[in-house]
Amino acid sequence: QQQVKQSPQSLIVQKGGISIINCAYENTAFDYFPWYQQFPGKGPALLIAIRPDVSEKKEGRFTISFNKSAKQFSLHIMDSQPGDSATYFCAARNNAGNMLTFGGGTRLMVKP
Amino acid sequence: EAGVAQSPRYKIIEKRQSVAFWCNPISGHATLYWYQQILGQGPKLLIQFQNNGVVDDSQLPKDRFSAERLKGVDSTLKIQPAKLEDSAVYLCASSLTVNTGELFFGEGSRLTVL
Repeated sequence: QQQVKQSPQSLIVQKGGISIINCAYENTAFDYFPWYQQFPGKGPALLIAIRPDVSEKKEGRFTISFNKSAKQFSLHIMDSQPGDSATYFCAARNNAGNMLTFGGGTRLMVKP
Repeated sequence: EAGVAQSPRYKIIEKRQSVAFWCNPISGHATLYWYQQILGQGPKLLIQFQNNGVVDDSQLPKDRFSAERLKGVDSTLKIQPAKLEDSAVYLCASSLTVNTGELFFGEGSRLTVL
């Protein structure tokens, strides 16, 4: 019930293309859905987050789409750049105690 | 603003030896977390502190792992004795309060158990 399933495991996109990463969850007690970006040798850093009362949130080139009935959410990176090459993790927070559960990660490579 | 500090960055030990990792959170952050990140996987929560009290340690292998947060600031994570499967990056994170969405992570301590 605490799992967050993320796909694909790896993704290669051409510069300027759209990168799409998907996540699904089961636990209806999750109330906050962040995406973290991690570069090699660094800790994850918050990229963008959404709460279940909205269906979409956009910040610059990054957009989260959220489907509460399907228990799915996705990250779209528009106009992908080589600097976006990193590992992306979706996560979900349990409203009972701020326990953040991470997906397995997607390694994104943006080719120039 | 200084970020989350962790040390050592790298540690190589033999199995059955012990190791300790240190974390200094962002000043003023009440909540501190230790995550284990095995290569190719997402971070897994080991323990969460609110000030110097434990909020959640349900996934901490208590027969070999221990953690403390004295005076509600710095924290130490210890593994004794280490097993091969403990090879991972140990990430420390902090947040302002327990209900704040954003966690700030340190760069991690990479442990290799031979």
